Amino acid sequence: EAGVVQSPRYKIIEKKQPVAFWCNPISGHNTLYWYRQNLGQGPELLIRYENEEAVDDSQLPKDRFSAERLKGVDSTLKIQPAELGDSAVYLCASSTRTGVESYEQYFGPGTRLTVT
Amino acid sequence: GNSVTQMEGPVTLSEEAFLTINCTYTATGYPSLFWYVQYPGEGLQLLLKATKADDKGSNKGFEATYRKETTSFHLEKGSVQVSDSAVYFCALKGGSYIPTFGRGTSLIVHP
Repeated sequence: EAGVVQSPRYKIIEKKQPVAFWCNPISGHNTLYWYRQNLGQGPELLIRYENEEAVDDSQLPKDRFSAERLKGVDSTLKIQPAELGDSAVYLCASSTRTGVESYEQYFGPGTRLTVT
Repeated sequence: GNSVTQMEGPVTLSEEAFLTINCTYTATGYPSLFWYVQYPGEGLQLLLKATKADDKGSNKGFEATYRKETTSFHLEKGSVQVSDSAVYFCALKGGSYIPTFGRGTSLIVHP
């Protein structure tokens, strides 16, 4: 079974440029999470989706960040325009709501963003 | 709010040494507790978990016991290997479905 897939793995952009990250969760997982992980820190939740609905986005900086999960499967996280402080690893995770592994999160490898 | 405090790293050990990584937490109610591991260039993987007081989670030779009286969930392994070199994150999950992570502790094991 494939795990959580993210692309690109690395991205270097200049400040004020836009950038987008893509995530494909594990098949059948209804819940999808985007996290930001700063260097030397633990992951911090940006947004959580239940199917196509964003149910927790209180930590998402809405002036420059946006996310979508149109068909309740894969998701895109966008930053426009990027700032130097956005340099971090952006992690995607997914989980199911049923069974013994309910709400156990499976993480993708992340996208390392460097803003210069 | 919920919080997790881990010992600062890096923790540097020789192969076959005993490992302890301390983790304490602050939370209301009765959270579930987790240890995740992150190998270089990879995402976080769940290592072990405990859902109630006095439960012991174990996996791959690692163990941690949920101690409510000391609000702790220390990670231990009797004999570490070079392949255990990674960053370890302690986390808790309370009433919501969102875990709170610690800052991570880097483990370096030398041959």
